[in-house]
Amino acid sequence: NAGVTQTPKFRVLKTGQSMTLLCAQDMNHEYMYWYRQDPGMGLRLIHYSVGEGTTAKGEVPDGYNVSRLKKQNFLLGLESAAPSQTSVYFCASSSGLAGHEQYFGPGTRLTVT
Amino acid sequence: GENVEQHPSTLSVQEGDSAVIKCTYSDSASNYFPWYKQELGKRPQLIIDIRSNVGEKKDQRIAVTLNKTAKHFSLHITETQPEDSAVYFCAAPGRALGRLYFGRGTQLTVWP
Repeated sequence: NAGVTQTPKFRVLKTGQSMTLLCAQDMNHEYMYWYRQDPGMGLRLIHYSVGEGTTAKGEVPDGYNVSRLKKQNFLLGLESAAPSQTSVYFCASSSGLAGHEQYFGPGTRLTVT
Repeated sequence: GENVEQHPSTLSVQEGDSAVIKCTYSDSASNYFPWYKQELGKRPQLIIDIRSNVGEKKDQRIAVTLNKTAKHFSLHITETQPEDSAVYFCAAPGRALGRLYFGRGTQLTVWP
């Protein structure tokens, strides 16, 4: 039981390049989330999904797109990376019921130069 | 959505002392209040949570208290140890099912 995994762990991009971050969970969770973490800013929600085939915007969605084609996977895309997107990205999943724990992945450190 | 404020942003204590971190929330519909601990370079992990039908919950050296009238909840760590050094986040759900709104975090440093 791997829990929540993220690929890749580290990435360096040049401004304007694109990339996709992959999140996978093996807990059969309905809800999945993408957060970014910046110093002093806590965990800010980018996009989330309440089930296969659904996505919704969080607090800071601009510049990102997501897809949830399979229940166990949640993809985060950057179409044209900007230095402001330099951050640590965490994926999480939960059963989605009120009062249930969110399980986080190990994070992806992205640097945009 | 929900607005969660967390104080202080940094906290330094001597080993063996107690540490208290406080959070306030805005949406009276919030009924679940988790606390996450994030060690340096690691992922956030749930350490304790409380639901709105109780006022206090303890788990060994950590406890959480909730005051629904005042809309605030606090994390208490007693007999602190160096391994308690980490960033702690509080959160609340507001009205959105399955979502959590996080505070900005408290960097706790425990000096030996």
